[in-house]
Amino acid sequence: DGGITQSPKYLFRKEGQNVTLSCEQNLNHDAMYWYRQDPGQGLRLIYYSQIVNDFQKGDIAEGYSVSREKKESFPLTVTSAQKNPTAFYLCASSSRDRANYGYTFGSGTRLTVV
Amino acid sequence: KNEVEQSPQNLTAQEGEFITINCSYSVGISALHWLQQHPGGGIVSLFMLSSGKKKHGRLIATINIQEKHSSLHITASHPRDSAVYICAVRSPTGNQFYFGTGTSLTVIP
Repeated sequence: DGGITQSPKYLFRKEGQNVTLSCEQNLNHDAMYWYRQDPGQGLRLIYYSQIVNDFQKGDIAEGYSVSREKKESFPLTVTSAQKNPTAFYLCASSSRDRANYGYTFGSGTRLTVV
Repeated sequence: KNEVEQSPQNLTAQEGEFITINCSYSVGISALHWLQQHPGGGIVSLFMLSSGKKKHGRLIATINIQEKHSSLHITASHPRDSAVYICAVRSPTGNQFYFGTGTSLTVIP
């Protein structure tokens, strides 16, 4: 079955360490997104990518970095510059084909920085 | 002001009740999505609408493009429907999504 795989589900890191969250999709979607969700708040866009080797900053990109070397993969690195990294991170992908405007989410990674 | 506003923010219902969640948006869109997020965190796309009405089981979603408004209805609600329901709209170019803050639904047996 097609879908998005995020790993790991739970991640603990020490303050000051960089950490990379994985997101892989086998839906052949062109666009991929990273969102952050904090308790009681809506989803906020970190980065998105419409095509391979191209990505754009979202609303809260500071302290994060991404790469898009393959269509299937869009890893997110939370750097030590991110002041409050503890949050729930969701990856999504979408089709740009208007005849099939799919929009699919992964199951999320809960990052706790101690 | 948020591009997408949802109401109510929280909703508690007795099992079997008919439930309505509303979504209003202020931007042009190419499509509107209703999403469901369970306590575990993963999000499932329930509906994608660009006009009219869609039905899937006990769930019905409608959209009025002129009024920039959509509703999600749940008939014969069940405790397993307890989740956060999120309205998201897609920009006309298809590149961006804007989200409501979600409606937290609790269905009591």
